[in-house]
Amino acid sequence: KAGVTQTPRYLIKTRGQQVTLSCSPISGHRSVSWYQQTPGQGLQFLFEYFSETQRNKGNFPGRFSGRQFSNSRSEMNVSTLELGDSALYLCASSLTDSYNEQFFGPGTRLTVL
Amino acid sequence: AQKITQTQPGMFVQEKEAVTLDCTYDTSDQSYGLFWYKQPSSGEMIFLIYQGSYDEQNATEGRYSLNFQKARKSANLVISASQLGDSAMYFCAMRDLFSGSARQLTFGSGTQLTVLP
Repeated sequence: KAGVTQTPRYLIKTRGQQVTLSCSPISGHRSVSWYQQTPGQGLQFLFEYFSETQRNKGNFPGRFSGRQFSNSRSEMNVSTLELGDSALYLCASSLTDSYNEQFFGPGTRLTVL
Repeated sequence: AQKITQTQPGMFVQEKEAVTLDCTYDTSDQSYGLFWYKQPSSGEMIFLIYQGSYDEQNATEGRYSLNFQKARKSANLVISASQLGDSAMYFCAMRDLFSGSARQLTFGSGTQLTVLP
């Protein structure tokens, strides 16, 4: 069974640009969560989607947005990129909204120049 | 609000020996779950072990065991018979089990474990 996949794996952008990251959960999984990982702030929760609905959002500015499609695939978008947005963005999927274990993807490493 | 504290930025252990990674937590929630994840240099977070706050027995998964002391609010990870492949960053995390933020994980700052040959 394929794991969580994230594309692209690496991305380089310049300040002011926007970026879209994609996450495909494990087949059958309906819950997708996004996390940002930086050396300074560690791992921080961005948002969570379940059945195409955003269930929860972390403390991030409105430049960060996301969505989930009917096949459970999820995208996150960051507009007007800032240098501080450089990070590893991790996606995690789980079977239902009550299942304990979350499976993480390999992440997308975003560098903003 | 939930908070996870990992006080060991780095740890060294000799191959085949056991090692304990510390984790303390703070929460006002009555029902919560505690997790340990391993993150190799490749970046992917690998789930290791889970402990529910109402579980009376400590969780075990192969060479991993979780030393859960609820009164002290600690959830230490014990790795027995360390292997070179165990060298990685280890994160302790928790989440509330019965609330609107059910899926949100709060992570600690991590412990970098190095296994020496």
